Amino acid sequence: EPEVTQTPSHQVTQMGQEVILRCVPISNHLYFYWYRQILGQKVEFLVSFYNNEISEKSEIFDDQFSVERPDGSNFTLKIRSTKLEDSAMYFCASYPETNTGELFFGEGSRLTVL
Amino acid sequence: GESVGLHLPTLSVQEGDNSIINCAYSNSASDYFIWYKQESGKGPQFIIDIRSNMDKRQGQRVTVLLNKTVKHLSLQIAATQPGDSAVYFCAENTIGNTPLVFGKGTRLSVIA
Repeated sequence: EPEVTQTPSHQVTQMGQEVILRCVPISNHLYFYWYRQILGQKVEFLVSFYNNEISEKSEIFDDQFSVERPDGSNFTLKIRSTKLEDSAMYFCASYPETNTGELFFGEGSRLTVL
Repeated sequence: GESVGLHLPTLSVQEGDNSIINCAYSNSASDYFIWYKQESGKGPQFIIDIRSNMDKRQGQRVTVLLNKTVKHLSLQIAATQPGDSAVYFCAENTIGNTPLVFGKGTRLSVIA
């Protein structure tokens, strides 16, 4: 069964460092998302991406965050200067042709900022 | 603002019993609802969904009920098994619009 894959599974970084989280969405999917989940809390929307541009973003997704789809397969989330409060699980997700129905999630990347 | 939330943060059930997990939503414009299961250290996994033109939908051992009058959604799990232990999230959006908005989550613990 096709799946969303994410790397790394866990990254530990120092405060102020740049982090890039990578995702390979399901190959025929067109809508891509990043969500965040702070430990023990709910899954929060960060950003959606369609047709090579951001279609929607939340208040969490400030200037420190950026997304890119550099090569038609990878979908990356960059945090330019990490803060302690960026420590969380980051989930990539994708939809097929329409942005409704089951949203397919990856297993997540755990980011720990020290 | 409008949001999706859950009545109970934790639920413990005996193996073999039925489980009911509840969710309240406040966005009357929502017309699509979905339940996700999240096991420890993993991503959310789709369980079942329902559109607002239905009030009940059944899957394998799971049933989702939607009461639009009181804006309430529930997930029923029949004959709960230890493998059902996880956090369950309801989520909603309006068809054609994103993003999917998640509720707070209920932890289901199955006692063997």
